[in-house]
Amino acid sequence: GPKVLQIPSHQIIDMGQMVTLNCDPVSNHLYFYWYKQILGQQMEFLVNFYNGKVMEKSKLFKDQFSVERPDGSYFTLKIQPTALEDSAVYFCASSLDWGDEQYFGPGTRLTVL
Amino acid sequence: GQGVEQPDNLMSVEGTFARVNCTYSTSGFNGLSWYQQREGHAPVFLSYVVLDGLKDSGHFSTFLSRSNGYSYLLLTELQIKDSASYLCAVRVNYAQGLTFGLGTRVSVFP
Repeated sequence: GPKVLQIPSHQIIDMGQMVTLNCDPVSNHLYFYWYKQILGQQMEFLVNFYNGKVMEKSKLFKDQFSVERPDGSYFTLKIQPTALEDSAVYFCASSLDWGDEQYFGPGTRLTVL
Repeated sequence: GQGVEQPDNLMSVEGTFARVNCTYSTSGFNGLSWYQQREGHAPVFLSYVVLDGLKDSGHFSTFLSRSNGYSYLLLTELQIKDSASYLCAVRVNYAQGLTFGLGTRVSVFP
């Protein structure tokens, strides 16, 4: 089936530094999502993105977070500055339309020291 | 608040069946999805239900009762390779991201 890729698979970073997580969505999909999963907890919605704009974000999407997809390249999640509580697995997803099934990437495990 | 609940674990025997239950209590409902996830891999979409009743997809079926806030995923003729976590996720409103349960780890034994 359609595949979503995420780069890198693991990232270790010192608290206070900036990190960018990259997502290569399914090629013809138009809607993009980020989710966060802390170890032992459920996956939680962060933000969705369409046509160059954030459509909706949850309370987990702090001011230090930003998303963009410049010129149809990677869909990115940037955290600046990082905090210890940002350590989690971040999953990217994409869908063709709002109501369609979301296809997920394998996640990026972020460890903030 | 919003909540999606699933049992933590479920064990079954090869060749039989497993039913993964999901109950939800959310401020809205615009459909429920089931995903399969193996350790370290992407969640894989299995099924989406928005109307009450049973939806048969061959190796598995999904059931929904909106009045009871309840769904199940029924895996039939289990194989060892069906061992995985199964995630239930509710779309609370049309434009929002999914609200996930913790997942149920299904273990299939010979």
